[in-house]
Amino acid sequence: GQNIDQPTEMTATEGAIVQINCTYQTSGFNGLFWYQQHAGEAPTFLSYNVLDGLEEKGRFSSFLSRSKGYSYLLLKELQMKDSASYLCAVRNFNKFYFGSGTKLNVKP
Amino acid sequence: ETGVTQTPRHLVMGMTNKKSLKCEQHLGHNAMYWYKQSAKKPLELMFVYNFKEQTENNSVPSRFSPECPNSSHLFLHLHTLQPEDSALYLCASSQDEGGSYNEQFFGPGTRLTVL
Repeated sequence: GQNIDQPTEMTATEGAIVQINCTYQTSGFNGLFWYQQHAGEAPTFLSYNVLDGLEEKGRFSSFLSRSKGYSYLLLKELQMKDSASYLCAVRNFNKFYFGSGTKLNVKP
Repeated sequence: ETGVTQTPRHLVMGMTNKKSLKCEQHLGHNAMYWYKQSAKKPLELMFVYNFKEQTENNSVPSRFSPECPNSSHLFLHLHTLQPEDSALYLCASSQDEGGSYNEQFFGPGTRLTVL
């Protein structure tokens, strides 16, 4: 079966750095995506990794290790608006497998 | 504005009703998807369409019937649903080109309640 694991919930302080981990076991792999979803809203794309290494986009970075089935999303200089759920998704051809999401609470 | 619209945004229906959800993408993408999002559970892929052809049916009960008349429109027809089908139904689209896989753009979703 397909398995995507993320922590359920995390809390961090405004201005700090937080790392959200994702481990996966899937029958195939064509890339790993991170999405942000605010309560009551649609998921929005944050990052995509298909090769090992770090991808940086402003305050957000994502890392992938295919041999370890592991990824993380790094959020720097946290802002209150970063309070949301963060979804890890693995693509296998035209199928996407999502984790349950990590709810991030940013406190002042 | 994400370029993917869904109607209605909220729907309440009885178990014997027939209703349809509509999705439209204005991004020129060639692939469209239906997902179900229930509380505390992962997003579940239901159906995938590439160039109007259904390429994936993820063991979805027949009371859910998709329709894709063209690359820009996607429908989900609902019939004799169960209360456990109450969830947020999300539509998404992406541009798939050969071996290059691009991110999905999601619509705002339809919040469905089955009484």
